[in-house]
Amino acid sequence: QKEVEQDPGPLSVPEGAIVSLNCTYSNSAFQYFMWYRQYSRKGPELLMYTYSSGNKEDGRFTAQVDKSSKYISLFIRDSQPSDSATYLCAVIGFSGGYNKLIFGAGTRLAVHP
Amino acid sequence: DGGITQSPKYLFRKEGQNVTLSCEQNLNHDAMYWYRQDPGQGLRLIYYSQIVNDFQKGDIAEGYSVSREKKESFPLTVTSAQKNPTAFYLCASSINRDSNQPQHFGDGTRLSIL
Repeated sequence: QKEVEQDPGPLSVPEGAIVSLNCTYSNSAFQYFMWYRQYSRKGPELLMYTYSSGNKEDGRFTAQVDKSSKYISLFIRDSQPSDSATYLCAVIGFSGGYNKLIFGAGTRLAVHP
Repeated sequence: DGGITQSPKYLFRKEGQNVTLSCEQNLNHDAMYWYRQDPGQGLRLIYYSQIVNDFQKGDIAEGYSVSREKKESFPLTVTSAQKNPTAFYLCASSINRDSNQPQHFGDGTRLSIL
């Protein structure tokens, strides 16, 4: 079982839609959660960084963590064509003998006008 | 502007050749990392360095080597021993290795075999 699981998509939505992106993780000890956005041929850009359960909002983006279910989500309101990218979830956890950033495989999102 | 600069953007390797990817940061971060990204897979850690003159193997270090002679620089060499080098290589940094601060990434180098 992978430590972080993420549906690769692709996910295609019309402009203005609410987008829900999700990941599950395997280790209940993980406590720090991130979402990165990656445009084609670019490096990942940090979007959201959260600690423990709850919601965090930043503009049109809301990150949600449910530690009881080991489930993390990113919601995008009023989606725009410029939101078209790959979204990577990541957790910081102790694995393989050291603390490290563990990534999901990424979900490709396409927002069409 | 502070950030991470990777060069070159595209690189081609011939059989039996070693190639070196550059990574420079001016964020004054102690920790630096190299990842490999393949289609459909998450980022996989190759090497990391917590401090100058020190570095550790990550999950997929075979066929790669690094050095950390300066705080701001962490070059990665893809050696001829790496039989499947075609991938997108990403360099990252964070304030320090032991913190739970997120990592910040450069824009990557795409390596292909000729």
